[in-house]
Amino acid sequence: AQSVTQLDSQVPVFEEAPVELRCNYSSSVSVYLFWYVQYPNQGLQLLLKYLSGSTLVKGINGFEAEFNKSQTSFHLRKPSVHISDTAEYFCAVSERNAGNMLTFGGGTRLMVKP
Amino acid sequence: GAVVSQHPSWVICKSGTSVKIECRSLDFQATTMFWYRQFPKQSLMLMATSNEGSKATYEQGVEKDKFLINHASLTLSTLTVTSAHPEDSSFYICSARDPGSSYEQYFGPGTRLTVT
Repeated sequence: AQSVTQLDSQVPVFEEAPVELRCNYSSSVSVYLFWYVQYPNQGLQLLLKYLSGSTLVKGINGFEAEFNKSQTSFHLRKPSVHISDTAEYFCAVSERNAGNMLTFGGGTRLMVKP
Repeated sequence: GAVVSQHPSWVICKSGTSVKIECRSLDFQATTMFWYRQFPKQSLMLMATSNEGSKATYEQGVEKDKFLINHASLTLSTLTVTSAHPEDSSFYICSARDPGSSYEQYFGPGTRLTVT
């Protein structure tokens, strides 16, 4: 069975500063990796996904993530954050051929301050 | 893109009553839908996998007699919380599998349930 660890429950950052949200996973088989964003009282919106190929994945809203197989990580980055990026971010993993079953990390609250 | 809706977006009910939450795929047919539960400031926990025309598969620790799931059509799955208690208060989110993809899920906007 797979598991996902988001090392930081909260990340405060000033507007226009860079940010990295960390995600590590464990699985005995190949996986798909996802980052989702959740705004208050809303569902999840897909930011980006890694399926195969290039390890650097670009998503919406200026976010990108890099898959590192040796470190089993999939950290999310943005070079310059905006106030509107304040939200909860979830890393998720799905084992290939596992019927879309997603396992979520605990979430990281990104708090962008002016 | 694919859209999943949920109804209602929020509901308040009295302890002991039952509440039904609907999850619809608006522009695609979903043979598989998933139901998640999210407590405040916590992650999503998968409750059950709903397959059209068959019984739902519940995750360990989820009471199937309390959380009734019905997936009667390719665009609708319902979650009924029976004899609700205050500890059932939570944010319930559904998602639907993209039939053309082996990995994609589309999430609904969630339903906030408060049991008084």
